[in-house]
Amino acid sequence: EVQLVESGGGLVQPGRSLKLSCVASGFTFNNYWMTWIRQAPGKGLEWVASITNTGGSTYYPDSVKGRFTISRDNAKSTLYLQMNSLRSEDTATYYCTRDAFWGQGVMVTVSS
Amino acid sequence: DVVMTQTPVSLSLAIGQPASISCKSSQSLLGTSGKTFLNWILQRPGQSPKRLIYQVSKLYSEVPDRFSGSGSETEFTLKISRVEAEDLGVYYCWQGTHFPLTFGSGTKLEIK
Repeated sequence: EVQLVESGGGLVQPGRSLKLSCVASGFTFNNYWMTWIRQAPGKGLEWVASITNTGGSTYYPDSVKGRFTISRDNAKSTLYLQMNSLRSEDTATYYCTRDAFWGQGVMVTVSS
Repeated sequence: DVVMTQTPVSLSLAIGQPASISCKSSQSLLGTSGKTFLNWILQRPGQSPKRLIYQVSKLYSEVPDRFSGSGSETEFTLKISRVEAEDLGVYYCWQGTHFPLTFGSGTKLEIK
C-alpha cells in the first residue's frame, strides 16, 4: 500500500524558513517523480514543486521559484521541501504526492 | 500558463441522479507523447484529495464504474451515472501536460 506521510509544518513568522519532509513507503521510491501541492484554507489546489526520480531536475511555478527548494533522499525514501522567505500567502496545507497518490497533508501557517 | 475552467461551481443532486462536470483548458492538453494528461480527483470534506481518473478516461482500480471521463484537446467531462452519498465533495480537474501544472477551481457536489 502506497503511503506518504508529511511532517514539519507549523507556525512560522514571515521571512523565516521551514522544511517539510515526506516519508514514502509501499513502492520503489527512486522510480517515481514526486510533487508538492498546496491548498490555502478554503481555497483550491496549487502546484508547488516537482522533482524527477533521480533528483536531477526540479520544477517550480513562479510563485515559489527562488524561495522554495524540493529535494529527495532516495536511500531514505524521503522527499523534502525547503521553504525560505516565507510569506503570509504561503499559508496552506502542503501535500506530498506521487502520481495520483496524496499524503494527508501538513499545515503551514505564516503569521507574526 | 494553462487555465483550467470548471463548470458548474456547485451541484445539488439526489441520490440516483446523474451528474456531469465540465472542464475546459485554455490550450490543448495533447502532449508530444500522444497522451493527454487530464486527471480528475475528489476531495471529500476534511480529507486529502483522492484519485479518480487519469489520461481523460482511465479509471483507477478502486474507482466505481459509475464514474466516467471523456473528452479531448481542450474539452473534458466527468460523469457520474448515478450519484451515491459517498460521492459528495469537491471535484477538481488538473492537467499534467504542461508546466506549470494547473488545477480547475473545483465543483462542489452536494447531496440533497
